[in-house]
Amino acid sequence: NAGVMQNPRHLVRRRGQEARLRCSPMKGHSHVYWYRQLPEEGLKFMVYLQKENIIDESGMPKERFSAEFPKEGPSILRIQQVVRGDSAAYFCASSPPAGERKQFFGPGTRLTVL
Amino acid sequence: DQQVKQNSPSLSVQEGRISILNCDYTNSMFDYFLWYKKYPAEGPTFLISISSIKDKNEDGRFTVFLNKSAKHLSLHIVPSQPGDSAVYFCAAVVIQGAQKLVFGQGTRLTINP
Repeated sequence: NAGVMQNPRHLVRRRGQEARLRCSPMKGHSHVYWYRQLPEEGLKFMVYLQKENIIDESGMPKERFSAEFPKEGPSILRIQQVVRGDSAAYFCASSPPAGERKQFFGPGTRLTVL
Repeated sequence: DQQVKQNSPSLSVQEGRISILNCDYTNSMFDYFLWYKKYPAEGPTFLISISSIKDKNEDGRFTVFLNKSAKHLSLHIVPSQPGDSAVYFCAAVVIQGAQKLVFGQGTRLTINP
């Protein structure tokens, strides 16, 4: 039973470029969450999605960040015009439907902005 | 506003002894609490959880205690093993709305042989 998959594991971008981070949830899971971890800090919630719906994006920066979870394919976290402050580890988590509180995390994508 | 706090950035324990990691929270709406373990360059791994209707949950070497009146929970690991060396995160979930986890800053546990 494959766990949560994230790719790429490492991503290097120059300032002003776009970053696309992908997440495939565990089989049977329909809820996807994105978290960001800055150095020496805990994980911070960004967005919660179900298939084709954004449920809660209260943790997303107002500009440059967007997320989607299409009917087919992985969830995508997109960061436009990256800046150095976007350098962080981005983790995706998934959970099954029907109120399961436990979330299972992927290995993360480490974004470095030069 | 840090709603979940882990006040000890690091903890060092001798192998075979008990490790106690602490976590405090401020939001009384939290109704479910989880502990995750994280190794470098990996994602957090779920360890154990507890609902607010309970005060203790045990799974093998891991026990979580919840004191709702003090808004405090703790994770006990006994006996501690070298493989337990990792960063431990406490997380909490709000009763209503989206199931987003609110994490503490983490405690780095080192088990010494």
